Amino acid sequence: EPEVTQTPSHQVTQMGQEVILRCVPISNHLYFYWYRQILGQKVEFLVSFYNNEISEKSEIFDDQFSVERPDGSNFTLKIRSTKLEDSAMYFCAQRKGTLLTDTQYFGPGTRLTVL
Amino acid sequence: AQKVTQAQTEISVVEKEDVTLDCVYETRDTTYYLFWYKQPPSGELVFLIRRNSFDEQNEISGRYSWNFQKSTSSFNFTITASQVVDSAVYFCALSEANTDKLIFGTGTRLQVFP
Repeated sequence: EPEVTQTPSHQVTQMGQEVILRCVPISNHLYFYWYRQILGQKVEFLVSFYNNEISEKSEIFDDQFSVERPDGSNFTLKIRSTKLEDSAMYFCAQRKGTLLTDTQYFGPGTRLTVL
Repeated sequence: AQKVTQAQTEISVVEKEDVTLDCVYETRDTTYYLFWYKQPPSGELVFLIRRNSFDEQNEISGRYSWNFQKSTSSFNFTITASQVVDSAVYFCALSEANTDKLIFGTGTRLQVFP
């Protein structure tokens, strides 16, 4: 199973601050995803990113969110002005496999706490 | 619209019992994909299985087995002879052919007591 890593493991920030969550992908993989999980709730899709472009995004992914791959390696999720309700676990995922087997493998997550 | 329902919020069993986790899905697509993920107390999401809509074969992997029935739109997961290490939240998920976003159910928390 591919290993996706995320940093930091835990981020605490004040409401209104900007945060950047990082995902270190497996090399040569083009498909990236961000999901979030509010504590005790289900995992929700935020955005998919292919070939350096957003391919799909959910209603949650509003103007305060952005994604990019700034240096061709790390994949980042930026929240411009955090709100209390942004507190959640954020998971990065990468896709691996063929058309019939491709599967999203998740990183360990970053726990974001907004105070 | 696509939807995944896991009606069992929490299940508690004693070690060595068999347990089945239910998953019911809704989709208008004729081609879709179903998944199960495990989330242990450490919090990561661990892939367990993927099943394509055109492949209704059931699958067994060690103590794990999956029963896919299109007629009832269900993709149930059975753990045989459960162990304490099976304690986790289990999520069922769906994706459709024209998108690769995963739609997750609300999860079932399984507690296995020694």
